[in-house]
Amino acid sequence: GQNIDQPTEMTATEGAIVQINCTYQTSGFNGLFWYQQHAGEAPTFLSYNVLDGLEEKGRFSSFLSRSKGYSYLLLKELQMKDSASYLCAVRYEDSGAGSYQLTFGKGTKLSVIP
Amino acid sequence: SAVISQKPSRDICQRGTSLTIQCQVDSQVTMMFWYRQQPGQSLTLIATANQGSEATYESGFVIDKFPISRPNLTFSTLTVSNMSPEDSSIYLCSVVTGNYGYTFGSGTRLTVV
Repeated sequence: GQNIDQPTEMTATEGAIVQINCTYQTSGFNGLFWYQQHAGEAPTFLSYNVLDGLEEKGRFSSFLSRSKGYSYLLLKELQMKDSASYLCAVRYEDSGAGSYQLTFGKGTKLSVIP
Repeated sequence: SAVISQKPSRDICQRGTSLTIQCQVDSQVTMMFWYRQQPGQSLTLIATANQGSEATYESGFVIDKFPISRPNLTFSTLTVSNMSPEDSSIYLCSVVTGNYGYTFGSGTRLTVV
């Protein structure tokens, strides 16, 4: 089966840096996604990693180590609007169905305080 | 990326009734996915809807409870049947866009009383 772990909640200060970790155990791994979800809204795509290393996109960066089953999302220069849930999701090949599936972690609720 | 119009955005329903949720995509897509997000929880895949064939349901979800239609490559519906308070949740549709992105509809917040 697929298993994804990430912290339930985190708090950080405006202007600071925060790292949200995600560990996973999966078969047929085919990429890791990070999504941002504000309360009452749909998730929005932040990043995608399929190869090891760091992907940087503005204030957000995402890192992947496939051998360790580990990823993190790094948020720099935190703003109040970054308060949201951050979902780690793993795409894997469902050999039985012959298709790719996406499994989500339970999300990390980030609170940015002044 | 694709744009998805999902409706209704929210509804309050009596137990025992059914609600049909619609998703319209602005481009043709092969697969559409239906998710449920219960309060304080992450997204759980209900089923994958392919045009021209029956939907594929995940463990714990059955067609009688969550019938799905996929009449063409831009539209799908999910019906939540014979509702109970345990069905109170946010329901989201999703499609694959580009090489790897998944785009979500705005969600339907369902409350069953």
